[in-house]
Amino acid sequence: DVKVTQSSRYLVKRTGEKVFLECVQDMDHENMFWYRQDPGLGLRLIYFSYDVKMKEKGDIPEGYSVSREKKERFSLILESASTNQTSMYLCASSLSGARSEKLFFGSGTQLSVL
Amino acid sequence: GESVGLHLPTLSVQEGDNSIINCAYSNSASDYFIWYKQESGKGPQFIIDIRSNMDKRQGQRVTVLLNKTVKHLSLQIAATQPGDSAVYFCAEGGGATNKLIFGTGTLLAVQP
Repeated sequence: DVKVTQSSRYLVKRTGEKVFLECVQDMDHENMFWYRQDPGLGLRLIYFSYDVKMKEKGDIPEGYSVSREKKERFSLILESASTNQTSMYLCASSLSGARSEKLFFGSGTQLSVL
Repeated sequence: GESVGLHLPTLSVQEGDNSIINCAYSNSASDYFIWYKQESGKGPQFIIDIRSNMDKRQGQRVTVLLNKTVKHLSLQIAATQPGDSAVYFCAEGGGATNKLIFGTGTLLAVQP
């Protein structure tokens, strides 16, 4: 089975801190994604990557950046955390290809910015 | 008062009954559809998917129906169990992009 592992289950940070959310997948998937999930808004795509060192903006990239130095690892960075970035962050991966296919999700990181 | 957007649609069913969860999708060019289950405190879990060249697909206790004419997707769960209690959401993909677009979800509450 595919395993997508997010390094932290819960995080509490202060406004202005730099925050790193780490995600690792173990099935050699080409594609990796970062979403945030907020009540009533569903899953919104922040950034995604189709290959090492490649990244593309999703629907809500403002205030975030990403890094993909290795195929299995995709990091989400909050350069200067703000209270409106308090959310559940979900990492996902999918095998490859240009057409839509199922995503495998991690368990999520609940981030609180105080 | 509270924002309407914070309340998920809820489907309440008795244990052993069949459940039908509905989803309207937005893009007529979408050619891939998928259902996820999300239990409290966990990440979304794949249930079943379907491509637009099909109108029905069955899994274990679950069936997905696709009606492209009215852009409607449904998930049927047979003999619903307490362990089926979760938020269920659909997603569509394809068209001009291969990204998945997710719905906001339906809360399934199974009464014993």
